[in-house]
Amino acid sequence: DTGVSQDPRHKITKRGQNVTFRCDPISEHNRLYWYRQTLGQGPEFLTYFQNEAQLEKSRLLSDRFSAERPKGSFSTLEIQRTEQGDSAMYLCASSPSRLAGTYGPQYFGPGTRLTVL
Amino acid sequence: DQQVKQNSPSLSVQEGRISILNCDYTNSMFDYFLWYKKYPAEGPTFLISISSIKDKNEDGRFTVFLNKSAKHLSLHIVPSQPGDSAVYFCAASGPGGTSYGKLTFGQGTILTVHP
Repeated sequence: DTGVSQDPRHKITKRGQNVTFRCDPISEHNRLYWYRQTLGQGPEFLTYFQNEAQLEKSRLLSDRFSAERPKGSFSTLEIQRTEQGDSAMYLCASSPSRLAGTYGPQYFGPGTRLTVL
Repeated sequence: DQQVKQNSPSLSVQEGRISILNCDYTNSMFDYFLWYKKYPAEGPTFLISISSIKDKNEDGRFTVFLNKSAKHLSLHIVPSQPGDSAVYFCAASGPGGTSYGKLTFGQGTILTVHP
């Protein structure tokens, strides 16, 4: 069990540039989540995939943000025309599917720290 | 609209004593609650959870208590150790019958355990 991995761990970019982050979930986890965490706050939900289907997007995810999970394994999160307000830690998490009414945790990766200058 | 609140930004405890971290929620549809621990520059690590059909769950030094009527949960760490120093996040999800498990987090509490 190698855990959830994210790449890169740190990204510094200039305002207006595009950036892309990658997440590799725990193998056989078909649920994948993206969260964003800013200083002094808890993680906030961005979007959720069940296999390759993106089933929910938060209002936080403006049209500059796009996420994909083309083969139901790894996922990418792209931010176009970055703004200084996009500076945050972007966290990926995964979990197995569960029957309705059953519960279990999500497992988080180390995150990608984005700094927009 | 902060549905999960951790009203204490920080807590300082002596090694060997009990640490009690508190969390309140407003959404009565939440039915599964978790505690995560986070070190700087790392992702959150799952600690312990509880579903709404229980009022207590214990795992080693960690115990979570749930008071549904008060919409309150707490994490007890006994005995506290310096390695427990981290940020602790409370999270909630639900309802389980329709939810895919999206988590709503509190703001976090910084726990410092002094030797």
